[in-house]
Amino acid sequence: KAGVTQTPRYLIKTRGQQVTLSCSPISGHRSVSWYQQTPGQGLQFLFEYFSETQRNKGNFPGRFSGRQFSNSRSEMNVSTLELGDSALYLCASSLRSAGGRVQYFGPGTRLTVL
Amino acid sequence: DAKTTQPNSMESNEEEPVHLPCNHSTISGTDYIHWYRQLPSQGPEYVIHGLTSNVNNRMASLAIAEDRKSSTLILHRATLRDAAVYYCIPITQGGSEKLVFGKGTKLTVNP
Repeated sequence: KAGVTQTPRYLIKTRGQQVTLSCSPISGHRSVSWYQQTPGQGLQFLFEYFSETQRNKGNFPGRFSGRQFSNSRSEMNVSTLELGDSALYLCASSLRSAGGRVQYFGPGTRLTVL
Repeated sequence: DAKTTQPNSMESNEEEPVHLPCNHSTISGTDYIHWYRQLPSQGPEYVIHGLTSNVNNRMASLAIAEDRKSSTLILHRATLRDAAVYYCIPITQGGSEKLVFGKGTKLTVNP
């Protein structure tokens, strides 16, 4: 089975622009979560989608948004980019299991804001 | 969210066992202990999880204390590929998919 894929892998934007990142989950997985990783704050949860509905949201400003499509693919959007948005954005998909949730992560999109 | 405490860093030699500790004294009775690791320049990957009893898989073993306030991830024979940051994460069964990552333990494996 193919793993989680994220596009693009690298992105350079300037302040004030907006950006859209894409994530394709493992086939059959219906839950997609997004995380931001920075050297200062570590890995932080952004939001989770299941069956096209946002189930949970982290403590990020409204400039960060996302959506999920009927085929479970997901996108996240960041508007009015700030320098502090430079980070590795990770997507994870999961197959709900009885014992907990194993999440499978993609390689991430490295966003640099200049 | 249950709070976890892990050493910032640990060092091991190749082919030797490694014991990575995690303290999670505020864990609730239904929280599973999950371990993930993140190799350099990659996304995190699942390692193992358990509830009460010890667990083994092809990657590692997980030893959970009887009072469940701590656990230890055991790599039986460390390889250079095991050099990574290891995170222990309590997850509430039936709860949110959200993973709360702490700072983790950076494992260095010496050849």
